Amino acid sequence: EAQVTQNPRYLITVTGKKLTVTCSQNMNHEYMSWYRQDPGLGLRQIYYSMNVEVTDKGDVPEGYKVSRKEKRNFPLILESPSPNQTSLYFCASSFKRGGLEQYFGPGTRLTVT
Amino acid sequence: QKEVEQNSGPLSVPEGAIASLNCTYSDRVSQSFFWYRQYSGKSPELIMSIYSNGDKEDGRFTAQLNKASQYVSLLIRDSQPSDSATYLCAVATGFQKLVFGTGTRLLVSP
Repeated sequence: EAQVTQNPRYLITVTGKKLTVTCSQNMNHEYMSWYRQDPGLGLRQIYYSMNVEVTDKGDVPEGYKVSRKEKRNFPLILESPSPNQTSLYFCASSFKRGGLEQYFGPGTRLTVT
Repeated sequence: QKEVEQNSGPLSVPEGAIASLNCTYSDRVSQSFFWYRQYSGKSPELIMSIYSNGDKEDGRFTAQLNKASQYVSLLIRDSQPSDSATYLCAVATGFQKLVFGTGTRLLVSP
């Protein structure tokens, strides 16, 4: 089954404790992206990757890191999480070069206390 | 001005009616437009894409695009309670970046 997977799906952590949210897709998509979704603010792009070893900042990259060492994986790293990073996070991938027609993972609900 | 604007709703329609969802965008060079459906607690799901002025139909869904007015809409015919969800409009900007609206919540009552 073609899909985007994320782990963990739910995470409660404390301020400053480094964490990684994994994202993997099995569709051989070149483009991958991370979003956060907050009430009233909608979906905002954090980082995106056009291909292996190619990443770039989205609208809200502060406090996040990403890497793209393999085509299928695009982990999101929070080196020192803070309460304002409490949010619902989505990974997405696209077969289109420009990253359009994106397909989303199931989401990760992160709470930072 | 937000890049992509939608009325947050809720838009309430009775079962069997036509639901009309609207979206305006600010970037005149935008070429690609998308509608996503998001059920509560779930991830967005792509339901329609439209690239040219006019209408595009897919089953009960029709996307309408008017680039001169910078306006895109989604019509849902014969609305069903299962269509109750938040509908996100997304627009690809001149730099091929996908910008999302905050969504319109649709409620279809039996």
